[in-house]
Amino acid sequence: GEDVEQSLFLSVREGDSSVINCTYTDSSSTYLYWYKQEPGAGLQLLTYIFSNMDMKQDQRLTVLLNKKDKHLSLRIADTQTGDSAIYFCALGSMNTGFQKLVFGTGTRLLVSP
Amino acid sequence: GAVVSQHPSWVICKSGTSVKIECRSLDFQATTMFWYRQFPKQSLMLMATSNEGSKATYEQGVEKDKFLINHASLTLSTLTVTSAHPEDSSFYICSATQTSNQPQHFGDGTRLSIL
Repeated sequence: GEDVEQSLFLSVREGDSSVINCTYTDSSSTYLYWYKQEPGAGLQLLTYIFSNMDMKQDQRLTVLLNKKDKHLSLRIADTQTGDSAIYFCALGSMNTGFQKLVFGTGTRLLVSP
Repeated sequence: GAVVSQHPSWVICKSGTSVKIECRSLDFQATTMFWYRQFPKQSLMLMATSNEGSKATYEQGVEKDKFLINHASLTLSTLTVTSAHPEDSSFYICSATQTSNQPQHFGDGTRLSIL
């Protein structure tokens, strides 16, 4: 089955860029999502990319996809303290009709002033 | 757009009680809704997939008689935890999607504490 892996923790200073990484094993066409979870809350969709794309940019967020290495990254420019949260990478595979998401373990981002 | 409302946000009740959690899509019609469980500092675990008007599809290891799911309309799904016990205490999150190739949008979760 599909597997999604993320590093557990990232610490940056306010104003720096943050890069959160994700690797996956699925070889079919997939949607790849980034969600943000603040303490005690649900998941907020940040952005997503289809596996035939290389890059997507949305304001401070840039998603890069290396299809060969099955590596996805989320770059947050000018990181703010309000960006502190857990970031989940998730994969929706064509094998399951794009419906069932496989989540990574989540990366806890800590932004210090 | 794409707002999902989940209610209640927090429940504390005695062992043996049944608890119902509602998940509503407020501004779109959700053909499919999903129920997840999240343990502290862990990722989300899919419990079941629910399509409007159909029986829910449960993931392996999830007891369908324990976790009753009803998806009676295109905007509402409910999860009932029957005869809840302390081991059922967890954070339950729902999500909804309009079509299969659209992103899932999540509710704010329900923290369930069974005493």
